[in-house]
Amino acid sequence: DIRLTQSPSFLSASVGARVTITCRASQGISNYLAWYQQKPGKAPKLLIYTASTLQSGVPSRFSGSGSGTEFTLTISSLQPEDFTTYYCQHFHSYPITFGQGTRLEIK
Amino acid sequence: DVQLVESGGGLVQPGGSLRLSCAASGFTFSSYNMNWVRQAPGKGLEWVSLIFSSGSNIYYADSVKGRFSISRDNARNSLSLQMNSLRAEDTAVYYCAASSRATGDAFAMWGQGTAVTVSS
Repeated sequence: DIRLTQSPSFLSASVGARVTITCRASQGISNYLAWYQQKPGKAPKLLIYTASTLQSGVPSRFSGSGSGTEFTLTISSLQPEDFTTYYCQHFHSYPITFGQGTRLEIK
Repeated sequence: DVQLVESGGGLVQPGGSLRLSCAASGFTFSSYNMNWVRQAPGKGLEWVSLIFSSGSNIYYADSVKGRFSISRDNARNSLSLQMNSLRAEDTAVYYCAASSRATGDAFAMWGQGTAVTVSS
């Protein structure tokens, strides 16, 4: 099974700051990676697919990059509604797996 | 509007069975692969199972293989998950989610979730 490790697991930042979350795969997964945002009590929301493609309707302050084993999600200027939890997910092979999550908190 | 609505969750004793359903509307259900994803209380997301749009291919997480069975009815725009031999560690909110090649197989549409509690 392919393991995804997100770092950091917790991140404290201020409104307006630029932050980056990293997702490392235990083996190469090309660009078969997505990022999700999940707010408490709600279903996850797709932000980025194929590592760097912005899902329709998602603000342009979100961006993704990477290929192979290392990927990043960047939020260029944090807004109050961005302080929540983020997950990466791979689709390279089965089983599909998620990273453990990164919780983004207001400093 | 696109909608996925799960139902069938509840309280069940260890060793028991439960059948979850997911009703789809507002999109061409038969064109999408369908998934179940679960989230234990206070924990992260865990993919459970996938069924291809035609029903031709089915995959399961090792944690549920042999106990859970996914199925779909494209004529009724519905997805099901039959869960047998339930364990305490199956306690979670279960989400159905739709995926397609248009979004690189990522899960673009999600239901609101249905809660399953396995306890005596």
